[in-house]
Amino acid sequence: GDSVTQMEGPVTLSEEAFLTINCTYTATGYPSLFWYVQYPGEGLQLLLKATKADDKGSNKGFEATYRKETTSFHLEKGSVQVSDSAVYFCALSEGRDDKIIFGKGTRLHILP
Amino acid sequence: NAGVTQTPKFQVLKTGQSMTLQCAQDMNHEYMSWYRQDPGMGLRLIHYSVGAGITDQGEVPNGYNVSRSTTEDFPLRLLSAAPSQTSVYFCASSSGSSYNEQFFGPGTRLTVL
Repeated sequence: GDSVTQMEGPVTLSEEAFLTINCTYTATGYPSLFWYVQYPGEGLQLLLKATKADDKGSNKGFEATYRKETTSFHLEKGSVQVSDSAVYFCALSEGRDDKIIFGKGTRLHILP
Repeated sequence: NAGVTQTPKFQVLKTGQSMTLQCAQDMNHEYMSWYRQDPGMGLRLIHYSVGAGITDQGEVPNGYNVSRSTTEDFPLRLLSAAPSQTSVYFCASSSGSSYNEQFFGPGTRLTVL
């Protein structure tokens, strides 16, 4: 079945460092891909998405490119801030049975 | 718009008790779902609904019931609580299908003793 694998955390970086959180997926069709973010004590909220190969999703300085050839959707940010500290979830949906599948999440700590 | 609301925020139950977690949305979304979040396990889908009167099982449905009598409400019932159901529960909704952005509620933290 479909699955999402993302790098285990926690990831600890200093402010202004470059961030990469790896995400790879397994799917039988052509899924849409998502990154969600969960700030402490809150529910998840959509960070960015891409719906087809080579699409780049971007928001708040974060980017991710849908790479069909490597089945990947890695999250990147050029200069992280303390306020980016959160848990990040990669997810996919093929839509045909209306399920969205989440990775296990990566906790990010940014030190001032 | 309130978005997705969940009640209660916190709940402590004894083993064997039953309760209902409430979820409501005011965005006229067809698609609603329930997840549980456990450390190291990410989010796991319990049940979902693609419209009023239609529900289906997710990855971990055992011990939980749902119904969808209106577009707005999607309650989750624990029939006989067990310690293994200690978790944080999130309700989510979206317009149309799971291709679209999921809007999450703030969560209910449940402890079963």
